[in-house]
Amino acid sequence: AQSVTQLDSQVPVFEEAPVELRCNYSSSVSVYLFWYVQYPNQGLQLLLKYLSGSTLVESINGFEAEFNKSQTSFHLRKPSVHISDTAEYFCAVSDRRTGANNLFFGTGTRLTVIP
Amino acid sequence: EAQVTQNPRYLITVTGKKLTVTCSQNMNHEYMSWYRQDPGLGLRQIYYSMNVEVTDKGDVPEGYKVSRKEKRNFPLILESPSPNQTSLYFCASGVANEQFFGPGTRLTVL
Repeated sequence: AQSVTQLDSQVPVFEEAPVELRCNYSSSVSVYLFWYVQYPNQGLQLLLKYLSGSTLVESINGFEAEFNKSQTSFHLRKPSVHISDTAEYFCAVSDRRTGANNLFFGTGTRLTVIP
Repeated sequence: EAQVTQNPRYLITVTGKKLTVTCSQNMNHEYMSWYRQDPGLGLRQIYYSMNVEVTDKGDVPEGYKVSRKEKRNFPLILESPSPNQTSLYFCASGVANEQFFGPGTRLTVL
């Protein structure tokens, strides 16, 4: 079975500062990795995903995450955050054999961008 | 517009009164699932379905039922709701490398 650890439940950061949201996973098989974002009072939206190939993946709004197999991590980073990035971020993992089905989520990190 | 819809979006009920939360997707996905989201626990899978008439338990199935009679619909049934089922529920549908989530149903059981 897979599991995901998001060590930081809340991360406050000033506008235009960089941010890193940490995600570590545990799995005995090869995995797919995902970051989802949940804006206030909304559902989850896929931010980015790692399936194969380049270990650095990017989103359209400036976030990036790097798959590090040796450290079993998939940390999310952004060099300069905006007020609109305030949201809860969930890291998730799935078994490659089942694809993106049967996602295992972390407990989430609430990012608050301070003006 | 490709989407997953859930109804109702908000529901307050009392212990023991059977309820159904509907979920529908228009993307012709074979895979559908239900999650509940609780503070500090993230999202936990309740049930999932790989195709019509095929359902299986997730991590927290106790107290819930599902059915998959049609590809597009995957209702969640609470036969006898209890206060510990107060939560935010999400339906999702997907393909091999991505799941799409509905807007959520906030359920309160008094």
